[in-house]
Amino acid sequence: RKEVEQDPGPFNVPEGATVAFNCTYSNSASQSFFWYRQDCRKEPKLLMSVYSSGNEDGRFTAQLNRASQYISLLIRDSKLSDSATYLCVVRANSGNTPLVFGKGTRLSVIA
Amino acid sequence: GAGVSQSPSNKVTEKGKDVELRCDPISGHTALYWYRQSLGQGLEFLIYFQGNSAPDKSGLPSDRFSAERTGGSVSTLTIQRTQQEDSAVYLCASSLGDPQPQHFGDGTRLSIL
Repeated sequence: RKEVEQDPGPFNVPEGATVAFNCTYSNSASQSFFWYRQDCRKEPKLLMSVYSSGNEDGRFTAQLNRASQYISLLIRDSKLSDSATYLCVVRANSGNTPLVFGKGTRLSVIA
Repeated sequence: GAGVSQSPSNKVTEKGKDVELRCDPISGHTALYWYRQSLGQGLEFLIYFQGNSAPDKSGLPSDRFSAERTGGSVSTLTIQRTQQEDSAVYLCASSLGDPQPQHFGDGTRLSIL
């Protein structure tokens, strides 16, 4: 089983739609969780950290379910500019240990 | 500079040649990471440096790969006797430390002919 698994998509949604991505991770000792965004041929950029209690940043909501070892990202009122690949990222331990990246879920928001 | 700087941005070389990729992290960042991303694949961890500690080399795919970080700042990733499967984008990231995020450079796109 891969350490971090995501549905590769693509998810093609109209502007204004709500879309959700899920991600599962295999290492139950994982401590930190993130969603990164990667535009085509660009470097990954941190979108948001994921906290145990769930957290929201504008139109984006992230949730963590430790028991089931999955993370979700919800995007409301999708914009054309949201089109990108969304990477689920996990860190096994605290400290500066390397991040483990999922392969990403591609989102295309269509006018 | 304000961000992580990588050079060259593109590198095309013949199979069997050695290549050096450079990363200049954000000033003051103690942690530095190398990843690579093959076409259509996720990011693959290669190596990371934390201050003066011995680097974590657990992600290096073979002994043809090595990296150094001089003076706790600039890092060089060296690939010897390149193979076609080494073709990828090599990304460098730096961080102040957990829980601060990792900031990525633009990457070096390496193509082995």
